[in-house]
Amino acid sequence: AQSVTQPDIHITVSEGASLELRCNYSYGATPYLFWYVQSPGQGLQLLLKYFSGDTLVQGIKGFEAEFKRSQSSFNLRKPSVHWSDAAEYFCAVGTSGGGADGLTFGKGTHLIIQP
Amino acid sequence: SQTIHQWPATLVQPVGSPLSLECTVEGTSNPNLYWYRQAAGRGLQLLFYSVGIGQISSEVPQNLSASRPQDRQFILSSKKLLLSDSGFYLCAWHRGGAYGYTFGSGTRLTVV
Repeated sequence: AQSVTQPDIHITVSEGASLELRCNYSYGATPYLFWYVQSPGQGLQLLLKYFSGDTLVQGIKGFEAEFKRSQSSFNLRKPSVHWSDAAEYFCAVGTSGGGADGLTFGKGTHLIIQP
Repeated sequence: SQTIHQWPATLVQPVGSPLSLECTVEGTSNPNLYWYRQAAGRGLQLLFYSVGIGQISSEVPQNLSASRPQDRQFILSSKKLLLSDSGFYLCAWHRGGAYGYTFGSGTRLTVV
């Protein structure tokens, strides 16, 4: 069965500083990987996804993520965070066809931005 | 364009009362639909998924049930709510292939 680990429950970063959120996955085949962001009381917004090809993917809001098969990782990065980036971030792994697997999520990382 | 709607946005219900949360999708046909629950500190848990009208699969045995009466409608129900049913419920649809999943805005359910 697939699983996702986000080892950092909370991360605090100063505004303007760089950010890296860690994600490790376990999946038997080539994974489809996602990063979602959730503002308080809101649904999930897709930041970026990886299906194949270039292992460095660009997303919305200046985020990027790098797929590293050898490390089973898909870490999210941003060179300079803004106060509006404070939110909950979820990494997820899934299959292309949906169905029974749906998406398997990590438990999330709560990002706090210091002024 | 494809959109997904969930309602209500918030709900406070007493223990033992029934529940009905609705999710509808627009702009697509025959979508795969999902209900997830998000409990504090526990990430998102897949509850039900449906690949078509009347086809429901449950991932976790619980006090809840789901139905799909129409192609683009997915309903989450309970006959008698428990305190442990409190949480944030999200509906999602999968477009297939490389498109990924789209989530609704969620329903915050508080059972008191």
